[in-house]
Amino acid sequence: RKEVEQDPGPFNVPEGATVAFNCTYSNSASQSFFWYRQDCRKEPKLLMSVYSSGNEDGRFTAQLNRASQYISLLIRDSKLSDSATYLCVVNPLISNFGNEKLTFGTGTRLTIIP
Amino acid sequence: GAGVSQSPSNKVTEKGKDVELRCDPISGHTALYWYRQSLGQGLEFLIYFQGNSAPDKSGLPSDRFSAERTGGSVSTLTIQRTQQEDSAVYLCASSLWVGDTGYSGANVLTFGAGSRLTVL
Repeated sequence: RKEVEQDPGPFNVPEGATVAFNCTYSNSASQSFFWYRQDCRKEPKLLMSVYSSGNEDGRFTAQLNRASQYISLLIRDSKLSDSATYLCVVNPLISNFGNEKLTFGTGTRLTIIP
Repeated sequence: GAGVSQSPSNKVTEKGKDVELRCDPISGHTALYWYRQSLGQGLEFLIYFQGNSAPDKSGLPSDRFSAERTGGSVSTLTIQRTQQEDSAVYLCASSLWVGDTGYSGANVLTFGAGSRLTVL
């Protein structure tokens, strides 16, 4: 089983719709979780961290389910500019002091259709 | 600098040649990572540097790959005797270190624009 798994998509969604992605991780001791966004032929950029209590940033909501070992990203009122690949990122190792090697999922490709 | 700087942005080389890729991290970021991304694929971890600690080289695919970080800042990734399967975008990222800040969110990575390597 891969350490981090995502549905690769593509997801083709009409503008204004709500879309959700899930990402599963294999190491139950994983401590920190993130969503990154990668535009075509660009570098990944942080979209948002994922906190245990769930967090929201405008139209974006991230949730963590430790029991089922998945994180989710919800995008409401999708815009054309949301078209990108969304990467799930997990720190799989236990450490209070180290950054270790963050593990990236292969990404979910989203296209918003006018 | 304001961001992570990588050079060259594009490199085309012949099979068997050696290449060097350079990364200038954000000033003050003590953690530095190298990843590579093949066309249409996810990010593959290569190596991680943290301060003066021994680097985590567990992701290097073969002994043709090596990396160093001088003075805790600039890093160079060297690929010897390049092969066609080495063709990819090589991404460098830097971050603060959790140990410096005590803040788990410190391990947020800022990526450079990448070095696109094509081996003919």
